[in-house]
Amino acid sequence: QKEVEQDPGPLSVPEGAIVSLNCTYSNSAFQYFMWYRQYSRKGPELLMYTYSSGNKEDGRFTAQVDKSSKYISLFIRDSQPSDSATYLCAVFMEYGNKLVFGAGTILRVKS
Amino acid sequence: EAQVTQNPRYLITVTGKKLTVTCSQNMNHEYMSWYRQDPGLGLRQIYYSMNVEVTDKGDVPEGYKVSRKEKRNFPLILESPSPNQTSLYFCASSPSGQVSYNEQFFGPGTRLTVL
Repeated sequence: QKEVEQDPGPLSVPEGAIVSLNCTYSNSAFQYFMWYRQYSRKGPELLMYTYSSGNKEDGRFTAQVDKSSKYISLFIRDSQPSDSATYLCAVFMEYGNKLVFGAGTILRVKS
Repeated sequence: EAQVTQNPRYLITVTGKKLTVTCSQNMNHEYMSWYRQDPGLGLRQIYYSMNVEVTDKGDVPEGYKVSRKEKRNFPLILESPSPNQTSLYFCASSPSGQVSYNEQFFGPGTRLTVL
């Protein structure tokens, strides 16, 4: 069983739609939760990180963590064609300095 | 400009021919790391370094070597490449090893094909 499961997509939505991207993880010892965005032929870049359960908002992006369900989500409001990219979730635990990435979800926002 | 550079960007080689992929950062970061990215498997960590002369295995270290003799450089060495090492490789750096809230800055990637 993979430590982090993420639906690879592709997910195709019209411009302006609300996008929901999700990951599940298996080990409750993971403490930190991150979302990276990766444009085609580029390296990933950090979008958001969270530590506790609940929501964290940054502009059109909201990261949500439910530690009881081991479920993390990224919501994108008013999606734009420039949001078209691969979104990777990542989880981290301090014990062993362990960082695990999901496989990534391909998102396409059509204008 | 603050950046992580990798060379070469593309490489096609044959089984068994030793190769080195260089990685350099100009941000005085302590932490550096190598990842490989494969379809359906995401990013997997190969090796990481918390500081000069300190390196540790990640999740998939077999067939790879690294060294950290200077803070800015972290080369990835494949002593005897095999076809299953065909992949997209990323180097990353971070101010510290606490990569949860310290952003990792990724290089542009090196696409390696081993025939």
